[in-house]
Amino acid sequence: AQRVTQPEKLLSVFKGAPVELKCNYSYSGSPELFWYVQYSRQRLQLLLRHISRESIKGFTADLNKGETSFHLKKPFAQEEDSAMYYCALSSYSGAGSYQLTFGKGTKLSVIP
Amino acid sequence: NAGVTQTPKFRVLKTGQSMTLLCAQDMNHEYMYWYRQDPGMGLRLIHYSVGEGTTAKGEVPDGYNVSRLKKQNFLLGLESAAPSQTSVYFCASRWGGTGGAYQPQHFGDGTRLSIL
Repeated sequence: AQRVTQPEKLLSVFKGAPVELKCNYSYSGSPELFWYVQYSRQRLQLLLRHISRESIKGFTADLNKGETSFHLKKPFAQEEDSAMYYCALSSYSGAGSYQLTFGKGTKLSVIP
Repeated sequence: NAGVTQTPKFRVLKTGQSMTLLCAQDMNHEYMYWYRQDPGMGLRLIHYSVGEGTTAKGEVPDGYNVSRLKKQNFLLGLESAAPSQTSVYFCASRWGGTGGAYQPQHFGDGTRLSIL
């Protein structure tokens, strides 16, 4: 069965400091991974996905199949980055359907 | 476009009462999902649908029922609400074409449900 682990419930960093949100996964197939962000009392929004290899709002994430990780990084944290971040794994559930398995989330707090 | 719309946004129920949460999407998406979000638990899949008239169980389906009579709507029902169902409920939808593995899900604003 697939599993996503985000080891940190809360991560506090100072403004301008680098940020790394950890995500490890367990999946027997070829992984497709996502990072979603949820600002206070708002809906979940897609931040970035592994397949796109893009940088959104200064964030990047690299899939490391050897370490089964998909850590989210940003070189200089901003106050507006404070939010809950979820790592998610897309897995095949049959009949052409794919499900997302979410980690428990990491709350990022950027201290001014 | 509205995207994914959930109604109601807030609701307080008494134990044993029933209610239905409505999710509507205007993106012509094939797949729709219901999740619950609890502190420290992340999002857990309750039920999902791969198309009109079809539904399937997710990780935590007990105590819930769903229906997808129309492609754009996905209903989540609580027949006899229990305090353990106090949660924030999110609906999501996704395009059903090729490349399904890496198609993102689009979420609604959530419904905050309290069961007393």
